[in-house]
Formats: sequence, C-alpha cells, structure tokens
Amino acid sequence: DVKVTQSSRYLVKRTGEKVFLECVQDMDHENMFWYRQDPGLGLRLIYFSYDVKMKEKGDIPEGYSVSREKKERFSLILESASTNQTSMYLCASVTGLKNTEAFFGQGTRLTVV
Amino acid sequence: GDSVTQMEGPVTLSEEAFLTINCTYTATGYPSLFWYVQYPGEGLQLLLKATKADDKGSNKGFEATYRKETTSFHLEKGSVQVSDSAVYFCALPLSGNTPLVFGKGTRLSVIA
Repeated sequence: DVKVTQSSRYLVKRTGEKVFLECVQDMDHENMFWYRQDPGLGLRLIYFSYDVKMKEKGDIPEGYSVSREKKERFSLILESASTNQTSMYLCASVTGLKNTEAFFGQGTRLTVV
Repeated sequence: GDSVTQMEGPVTLSEEAFLTINCTYTATGYPSLFWYVQYPGEGLQLLLKATKADDKGSNKGFEATYRKETTSFHLEKGSVQVSDSAVYFCALPLSGNTPLVFGKGTRLSVIA
C-alpha cells in the first residue's frame, strides 16, 4: 500500500517559533510538493522539489523554506511562525512519468497562537 | 499557463439527487485529467481519471468524460449519498516543469 506520511495531524505552535513539518513517501517518487489549504482559496503551492537537493518556489513561498536531503523526505520549515500561517498543510508526491496521479499525505492542521 | 476552473461551491443536495460539478481546463497538448476527493479531516485521494479525449473515467458511481472540443471534464453522479459529502478537486497532472494544477475545490454536502 503506497503511502505519503506527514509527521503530525495536529500542531499548535507559538508565534515566532521555528516549525518543521515532515513528509515521507515510500514510492521512490522524484517529485514532492507542499500545499496549504484555506477555506475559499483552494490549494496553494508553497514549494516543490523535482529531485534531491533541488527546490522551486511555488505561488506563496514567503515565510517558508524547504529541505530535501533524501529522496523520500521533504520538509517544510516555517522560519518564524505567524498567526497568518495557521492552516492545513498538505504534502504530495508524484512519479516523474507523465500523466500519473499524485499521492497525498493526510494533512497537518497547524495552529499558530 | 495551464489552469483549471471549476464551479464554486458549496453545493447542498438531498440524498439520491443528481450531481454535476463543472470543470474546464486550459492546457498545452492533451494531458490526462483527474478528479480528486477530500473527505473530512483527510488528504486528497484520486477519485477517477481519463487519459485521452472521449475517455470516460468512473469510480464509486461517479463519472467524468474528457471533452476535448469543450475542454471540459465535468463530474457527475446519478444518485448521491450522505457518504459522498466531501470536497472535490479537478486537476491537471505534472507536466514538464509545471507543477500539479488544481481547481479551487467544490464542497458537496448531502443531507438525508
């Protein structure tokens, strides 16, 4: 059973904290993505990675960074958490083959207080 | 660039009603087309897909037909159930250096 696993379902952090969201996939996929999901705004792409140590900015990278040291793991980092980063965060992975489906983690609901 | 436009929600239906969620796309070439579903508190999962023009994807009673001439991929179900309450996303796959492209999602609520 293929899997994308996010390290936490729920997180509560304080303003100014450095926050790490971890995502691990066991499908040997080249491509991994981080999205945030907010009511009325759909899925917004934060960062994506096509390979180890490679990263590309998505539509809303400000206030975030990422790390991909190993193929199976893609980490999202909130350098200094703020209340406007309270959201649902979704990780996805997809193979490099054309026209294939993406697999998603279960999501991390982050609340910054 | 590539894009997907789907009808805004929320949509509220009674059990056994007919469902249509509209989706149109703009893309280079003829990519596969996807519908994903997100049940409450979960991530997205693939509901169905179609790989070429005139293909019909189907799963769990849902259907969608890839219409090249109207660049559409509308989702339909003849008789919805309470368990179909979820958010539905129309999507284009990864293509070259273009990330996955999603519609904004349509929230469906089915009441008994």
